[in-house]
Amino acid sequence: GAVVSQHPSWVICKSGTSVKIECRSLDFQATTMFWYRQFPKQSLMLMATSNEGSKATYEQGVEKDKFLINHASLTLSTLTVTSAHPEDSSFYICSARGGQVFSYEQYFGPGTRLTVT
Amino acid sequence: SQQGEEDPQALSIQEGENATMNCSYKTSINNLQWYRQNSGRGLVHLILIRSNEREKHSGRLRVTLDTSKKSSSLLITASRAADTASYFCATDKGGSYIPTFGRGTSLIVHP
Repeated sequence: GAVVSQHPSWVICKSGTSVKIECRSLDFQATTMFWYRQFPKQSLMLMATSNEGSKATYEQGVEKDKFLINHASLTLSTLTVTSAHPEDSSFYICSARGGQVFSYEQYFGPGTRLTVT
Repeated sequence: SQQGEEDPQALSIQEGENATMNCSYKTSINNLQWYRQNSGRGLVHLILIRSNEREKHSGRLRVTLDTSKKSSSLLITASRAADTASYFCATDKGGSYIPTFGRGTSLIVHP
């Protein structure tokens, strides 16, 4: 099946710094990528949807200036957490969808655990 | 907000037993999907069942869908210790083609 990677797998940063997380589709072109956030023992909450070459669409309540998403190519999307605070500590998961826009098939990355101290 | 809600929140069984998890949702859907997540990992897609389907099988997995009750169930037969994971249902929330996840059921299978 299609493979999606994330880098880094985990990151620890100091409060006030910015952190960039990469999401790559390794063997297919991802027309759409999704970013989710997951707290321990909780559900995945969709943060934003990005289409290659377009601005990301953020879900209600997600600060677009804090969570910068760039989908510059068909294989790479990045999420930058700016001026990170301890409450931003979470598990961030991306997923990618290729081919048809009207398709339910999407592939998930392994996730990135962010800890802000 | 979450569309699907799984029940139970946690389930602990012995290897060889069957595990049943339920999912209820609120609005009409085009399809419902079940995913598996091992601790600290990404999600693996298990099964997609469309709104006009009532039952679907994949190996040891059996999924049912009752649109009149807005509910679905995932049955894992002859469970193995390797089935230990969290299981999530996801609905398309009115045809948005973006899955909306429930809180998940944490399954522990004891060897």
